Amino acid sequence: KNEVEQSPQNLTAQEGEFITINCSYSVGISALHWLQQHPGGGIVSLFMLSSGKKKHGRLIATINIQEKHSSLHITASHPRDSAVYICAVPLSNFGNEKLTFGTGTRLTIIP
Amino acid sequence: DSGVTQTPKHLITATGQRVTLRCSPRSGDLSVYWYQQSLDQGLQFLIQYYNGEERAKGNILERFSAQQFPDLHSELNLSSLELGDSALYFCASSPGGTGTDTQYFGPGTRLTVL
Repeated sequence: KNEVEQSPQNLTAQEGEFITINCSYSVGISALHWLQQHPGGGIVSLFMLSSGKKKHGRLIATINIQEKHSSLHITASHPRDSAVYICAVPLSNFGNEKLTFGTGTRLTIIP
Repeated sequence: DSGVTQTPKHLITATGQRVTLRCSPRSGDLSVYWYQQSLDQGLQFLIQYYNGEERAKGNILERFSAQQFPDLHSELNLSSLELGDSALYFCASSPGGTGTDTQYFGPGTRLTVL
């Protein structure tokens, strides 16, 4: 079992729809990261959160530490949101933390 | 633009060869991370340096090595290359070196081993 699980693996939606991508993890963590990987390959950090909720434009990320679960929401989705969304958590490795990644959710927004 | 630069963008080489990938972090960032992204493995952490010292190690093969220089740029050396080493290699940087730091990713180097 992977330490970081994402669902769904693939998601296709119509422009304007509300999108939810889920991430669950199996161990205690200090923070969780959401990343966006564009079709060209570039990776952008969207959020780092350790509790509650963060909002940036049409993107909202929430985390429930007790349930070991985070969600990324996109409101009023647009074709330019088409990308792979990856969650990542820092896992301790002999006292140092290394990012461990989920397998990603490929989102396609159809005009 | 994240402020992190990587060279080269593309690299095509043959099995058994040795290559060096270079990364310049954002101005002021002390930590550099190296990641490998292959089609079947997803993103995998390789190694982290903080202010010139190795801080954390992931699943980095013995054929791979890295270093961070006094000017904070970093190089990842891959030797005795195999077909399976073909992948996108990203470096990222952050101001500090903890898991709660936002990491800024470079554009990646696409390595193809023929």
